[in-house]
This record gives sequence, C-alpha cells and structure tokens, in this order.
Amino acid sequence: DGGITQSPKYLFRKEGQNVTLSCEQNLNHDAMYWYRQDPGQGLRLIYYSQIVNDFQKGDIAEGYSVSREKKESFPLTVTSAQKNPTAFYLCASSIGNRRQETQYFGPGTRLLVL
Amino acid sequence: KNQVEQSPQSLIILEGKNCTLQCNYTVSPFSNLRWYKQDTGRGPVSLTIMTFSENTKSNGRYTATLDADTKQSSLHITASQLSDSASYICVVSANSGGGADGLTFGKGTHLIIQP
Repeated sequence: DGGITQSPKYLFRKEGQNVTLSCEQNLNHDAMYWYRQDPGQGLRLIYYSQIVNDFQKGDIAEGYSVSREKKESFPLTVTSAQKNPTAFYLCASSIGNRRQETQYFGPGTRLLVL
Repeated sequence: KNQVEQSPQSLIILEGKNCTLQCNYTVSPFSNLRWYKQDTGRGPVSLTIMTFSENTKSNGRYTATLDADTKQSSLHITASQLSDSASYICVVSANSGGGADGLTFGKGTHLIIQP
C-alpha cells in the first residue's frame, strides 16, 4: 500500500523542548516538503528537499530544522526557538519538479503546546 | 506579490444541490492551477490540475474551469453528497518566483453539506 505516513497523529510539546515529527514515503518520490497549516490560513512552506542530502528553507523556516539522509524519510524538528509551534503540520512529496508535479500529502501531525 | 483569493470563505448547502467555488489569482508567470480537497484533520488530496491551455477538467462530480485571461478558476460540484463536506484549496504554480517551492496556496473554502 503506497503512500505517505506521518507520526505521531498528535504531539505535545513542553516549553523549551525540541520535538521531531516523522514523515515517510514509499512512492519513490525525489522531492519532499513540510508545510504548516493554521486556522484560516493557507499552507505555508517550512522546508523542502529535492534530493537526498539536500534541502532548502521555505517561507517560514525559522525555529525548524530538517534532515534528508534517506530518500524515503524527511523528519522535521520543531526547536525551542519556534515560539508559536501550535499548528497542523503536513508533509508532502512529488515525483520531481515541484512546479509541475502534483504533491501527495500525508495525514498530518497536530502539535500542541502544554 | 503573488496571491490566491478564494470565495466564499464558507458555504452551507443541502445534499443533492450544486455549488460553485471561486478562485482568483495574481500569480505570474502562470504555470498551472490545482484544486485540492481537504477533509477535516486530514491531508489535502488532489482533484484536478489545469495548465494554461486547458479551460475545463472534470473528475467525477467535480468540474474545474480556468480563464487564464481573467485569472479566475471555479470548481463546480454537482449533486452534492455528505462526503463532499470539506475544505477546498486552490493552489497556483508559477514558472518562476512565487513561494519558495513556486506554489501559492489559497486559504480554502469550507463547504458543509447538510442532509
């Protein structure tokens, strides 16, 4: 069963704590993305990666970090520097050229601050 | 600045009725326009993608139109079903510029189908 999985579904963060969101895909896609979704807002790009061991900052990268050590995996770490982390986080992937190809989204992780 | 505006912000219709959602954009140079459906608490799923030369594309009961001259798109839903209750997001891709990944997302239209 091909697709994108994200875990956990819900994540709670204490103040000053770093947390990592998992994103795995078995679609053999080269490109992967992380978006943040807030109520009443469009999706905003955090980071994206077009190939293994390479990634670029999106529009709101401050307070976040990523790695792309394997083609299938693109974890996102929300650091303590991100002062307003409460949001719905979506991971996506596409075959190649992000401007031309359809993105496939995971089910999302909802991050809440305690 | 590239922008995508969707209207209405929210819409409530009775099951079985038709409805039309609007998307106006200022993205340039235009590459393609996509409509996604996002169920509550889930990731978006692609419905249609249209390039400059396409003015209509259908996916079952969903029909998207594109007028590249006026920079407007619409998504028409025929014979609505309860499962159509979701947010519908318009996404426009630029050949250059735009967001870091070349995509500009609308805020979505929240559609509720009542029995």
